[in-house]
Amino acid sequence: DAMVIQNPRYQVTQFGKPVTLSCSQTLNHNVMYWYQQKSSQAPKLLFHYYDKDFNNEADTPDNFQSRRPNTSFCFLDIRSPGLGDAAMYLCATSRNSGGYTFGSGTRLTVV
Amino acid sequence: QKEVEQNSGPLSVPEGAIASLNCTYSDRGSQSFFWYRQYSGKSPELIMFIYSNGDKEDGRFTAQLNKASQYVSLLIRDSQPSDSATYLCAVNIGGYNKLIFGAGTRLAVHP
Repeated sequence: DAMVIQNPRYQVTQFGKPVTLSCSQTLNHNVMYWYQQKSSQAPKLLFHYYDKDFNNEADTPDNFQSRRPNTSFCFLDIRSPGLGDAAMYLCATSRNSGGYTFGSGTRLTVV
Repeated sequence: QKEVEQNSGPLSVPEGAIASLNCTYSDRGSQSFFWYRQYSGKSPELIMFIYSNGDKEDGRFTAQLNKASQYVSLLIRDSQPSDSATYLCAVNIGGYNKLIFGAGTRLAVHP
């Protein structure tokens, strides 16, 4: 089945230690998104890619970076995680319009 | 600042009743509107989308859109305990199919 896969499902990292979250898709969607969702809050858009064109939200902290080496893969790098970065990170894909397909998410814990 | 507002709930309804979930949005230019269901600890899954004013029905679900009032709603008929979840309203806010999400309404269906 075509899908969006996020790894790992759960990630524990130390305060200040760089961490990378990954997302892959078999849907061949041209747009990929990273959202951050904290408990009982709305998912907040961090970045999105239209093909290889990178789009950064104005309020995304510099501590967050992203890479999309090809159509299928996208990575979220957190250079120096703080306690406030603990959240669910959601990868999603779409075509030019229509609803998103989300991955299962990565729950990040910072200790 | 473009916003999507939802009542956080919980909205408690008895099994078999109609659940009514509401959402307002601030961007008059929005053209696409989505409802996602999110179970605790899971990622959102698309239930319905609506683009035109009026009603759109899909099984037990009906989405209603009123662009003049900037209002979207979701009706769930014959509510089941398995419908207990958080329902996120999402609105397209511009290019590359960017969606902004509300914080969700928690629905509890009791037997």
